[in-house]
Amino acid sequence: GENVEQHPSTLSVQEGDSAVIKCTYSDSASNYFPWYKQELGKRPQLIIDIRSNVGEKKDQRIAVTLNKTAKHFSLHITETQPEDSAVYFCAASKNNNDMRFGAGTRLTVKP
Amino acid sequence: KAGVTQTPRYLIKTRGQQVTLSCSPISGHRSVSWYQQTPGQGLQFLFEYFSETQRNKGNFPGRFSGRQFSNSRSEMNVSTLELGDSALYLCASSWTSYSETQYFGPGTRLLVL
Repeated sequence: GENVEQHPSTLSVQEGDSAVIKCTYSDSASNYFPWYKQELGKRPQLIIDIRSNVGEKKDQRIAVTLNKTAKHFSLHITETQPEDSAVYFCAASKNNNDMRFGAGTRLTVKP
Repeated sequence: KAGVTQTPRYLIKTRGQQVTLSCSPISGHRSVSWYQQTPGQGLQFLFEYFSETQRNKGNFPGRFSGRQFSNSRSEMNVSTLELGDSALYLCASSWTSYSETQYFGPGTRLLVL
């Protein structure tokens, strides 16, 4: 089955800097890659997603890139703000089959 | 439009007991997925229901089961509870599948003593 690895497990940046979180997946047939943000004590919320027919997607300060050949995808947050502090999860699924999540990255943005 | 709701929010059970958790999806959403979240294992997929049918299942023992009703509300049941079942159980709903935007509920925190 699918296996998703996520790095780093913790990330600390200064406000205004960029943050990059990377995930690799094992099943080359996976075709849907969402990213979720979970603030302390709250539910996960989808922040951006990408499908296998697209290499990059951007939404304001957030972007995701996908490299199908290498089977990895990354989340890029630019101009980080303290409110970006949260745990971020990547996930991968294929054709409505089970979704596998990465272990999560705890991002801390220092003011 | 009301969000995904889950009941109860907190639950304390003892080993060997069984528990039923409920999830009401966003109105119109027909796909409901369940996840277990623990500090050690992260978010793990349990199963997904669509139109009252279990469409996908994760790698959990048969003690974990679920069902979906005609109004898309879903329940999950855990029988013969073990200490390791202590976790936050999240459900998420989407229009037709989880290969699209999923909206998570607040979760049910289960503690097994």
